Amino acid sequence: DAGVIQSPRHEVTEMGQEVTLRCKPISGHNSLFWYRQTMMRGLELLIYFNNNVPIDDSGMPEDRFSAKMPNASFSTLKIQPSEPRDSAVYFCASSLLARGAGEKLFFGSGTQLSVL
Amino acid sequence: DQQVKQNSPSLSVQEGRISILNCDYTNSMFDYFLWYKKYPAEGPTFLISISSIKDKNEDGRFTVFLNKSAKHLSLHIVPSQPGDSAVYFCAASAHTGANNLFFGTGTRLTVIP
Repeated sequence: DAGVIQSPRHEVTEMGQEVTLRCKPISGHNSLFWYRQTMMRGLELLIYFNNNVPIDDSGMPEDRFSAKMPNASFSTLKIQPSEPRDSAVYFCASSLLARGAGEKLFFGSGTQLSVL
Repeated sequence: DQQVKQNSPSLSVQEGRISILNCDYTNSMFDYFLWYKKYPAEGPTFLISISSIKDKNEDGRFTVFLNKSAKHLSLHIVPSQPGDSAVYFCAASAHTGANNLFFGTGTRLTVIP
């Protein structure tokens, strides 16, 4: 099993540019989560999909952030326009069951985003 | 507002001794708690969990203790090994409520050989 695959591993961009992060969940998993890790707030949930449908996007910080899951094997997180305060590590995670509550999540290796 | 707090950003322990990582939470609806371990340049991986119906769960060298009245849990690692050096995240969820895990800010454990 390849696990959750995220790309790119590192992204350096300039303020105002569009950034797209990609994620391939574990085959057969039906829930997908996007998290952001910062020193101050730890791991924060941005958005959660179940069966490709966004269920909870209350963690998406601003309208500049958007996420899609066009099919069961692919998701994107887009930031447009990007700002320096968006610099963080972004993790994608997947799980098998419908509810994330209490379930073990399988995380990708993350994307280190730096916005200059 | 952080519902799960890990107040110690770092901890250093001698190899062979016990490591104790602490976690506090504020939401009384949380009824399931997990610890994740994270190595540099990798995603967090599940380590151990405990349901609120228990006060202790053990898995090899790792034991998690839950004190519901104090809204406190701890992870004990004994004996500590250099390979345990990592960032440890505490997480909590409410089966009857949120569809996600609430994570703490993490504690960096360094086990000194």
